[in-house]
Amino acid sequence: DTTVKQNPRYKLARVGKPVNLICSQTMNHDTMYWYQKKPNQAPKLLLFYYDKILNREADTFEKFQSSRPNNSFCSLYIGSAGLEYSAMYLCASSRAGADTEVFFGKGTRLTVV
Amino acid sequence: QQQVRQSPQSLTVWEGETAILNCSYENSAFDYFPWYQQFPGEGPALLISILSVSNKKEDGRFTIFFNKREKKLSLHIADSQPGDSATYFCAASADSNYQLIWGSGTKLIIKP
Repeated sequence: DTTVKQNPRYKLARVGKPVNLICSQTMNHDTMYWYQKKPNQAPKLLLFYYDKILNREADTFEKFQSSRPNNSFCSLYIGSAGLEYSAMYLCASSRAGADTEVFFGKGTRLTVV
Repeated sequence: QQQVRQSPQSLTVWEGETAILNCSYENSAFDYFPWYQQFPGEGPALLISILSVSNKKEDGRFTIFFNKREKKLSLHIADSQPGDSATYFCAASADSNYQLIWGSGTKLIIKP
């Protein structure tokens, strides 16, 4: 099974409210990623876990939090959503190392109103 | 700073033609270049990839041509089919830093 599962597929949030997105994989991958994707833009890496170590990108450090309670599960947390957070959020996983295939979930489309 | 650029942003070709999608990069340390294919409602999925030691990689109707000197590569889709209609992302990574740097994608439409 090479599936990365994301829940929910669609999320509507109010400005200022928290948002929690969920991702799981059963491939025993040591690395899990969260990307933000906006139309006509490249997927933007927000953060990734290598095993239990969280790496956050410098420009999104304070905007997104994450947890990985076990190897299979990873969440993305937005403490206070703003309109600019409206986007597709893609979770992905891979084995560590160079040239490895990254497996993506179908994404969660977040709309902040 | 966008290190991986793709062109065109969108491309329409007739069924049976060869679609050519372009990608260029800035970082000479990049040595791994995967192309991902994304259908509507799905996540991106690895289609084909090439290492910088090669100048060509074929997989069925899909071929990557790579020019290290010019820092350019292209994905050729021969005998294109309506089922190839998707968004194609070019990405790159360096051996020293495994993180993929993504292009903004080319939306390909194949007209029957």
